[in-house]
Amino acid sequence: EVQLVESGGGLVKPGGSLRLSCAASGFTFSPYSMNWVRQAPGKGLEWVSSISSTGNYIYYADSVKGRFTISRDAENSLYLQMNSLRAEDTAVYYCARDVGISRINWFFDLWGRGTLVTVSS
Amino acid sequence: SYVLTQPPSVSVAPGETATITCGGNSIGSKSVHWYQQKPGQAPFLVIYYDSDRPSGIPERFSGSNPGNTATLTISRVEAGDEADYYCQVWDSDSGHVVFGGGTKLTVL
Repeated sequence: EVQLVESGGGLVKPGGSLRLSCAASGFTFSPYSMNWVRQAPGKGLEWVSSISSTGNYIYYADSVKGRFTISRDAENSLYLQMNSLRAEDTAVYYCARDVGISRINWFFDLWGRGTLVTVSS
Repeated sequence: SYVLTQPPSVSVAPGETATITCGGNSIGSKSVHWYQQKPGQAPFLVIYYDSDRPSGIPERFSGSNPGNTATLTISRVEAGDEADYYCQVWDSDSGHVVFGGGTKLTVL
């Protein structure tokens, strides 16, 4: 089955760190650009970060730049290292696959179920 | 930063046509994509490149982007279409992906 499964969410204090993972299965991971999108409770979707298939091109939303780091391995995993977490980072974090192979098309055809990150003291 | 504006809610009776708009500066020059999200579920792509449908999406779903406002149209609305719908573009100026605020479609 083609799927993305996120993990690593949880409760963290303001200023703390967390590392999210996304495991891909059922398809060849390496040619696809990948993304993180988050959704605060009861709110809309917010793009967080994108990484190209090679990892050479990386993009961040202004709200997380300098605090979050996206990365990937060559096999089947995407990561999001989140530092200096704030209450406003509380959200469900989705891993999403870009539709294009070997180039970024900037829209997403496969999403995981998400992992909840709660930043609270 | 680029902003996409959607109505917070749209209501329609079963069998009628739902129209969800997405406004943005010169949006006609951008490619607009639409996602459906049902409660407790991940978003799901229903329209891409303004008007293309992924395989498996019913023909009742259509999109257009003629210039000032992009539109998602759902014909012959069914109860199962009740969901939040988000438009999305890539803003080349900022290099950022942008989502609209979302529209809650209620089937009366």
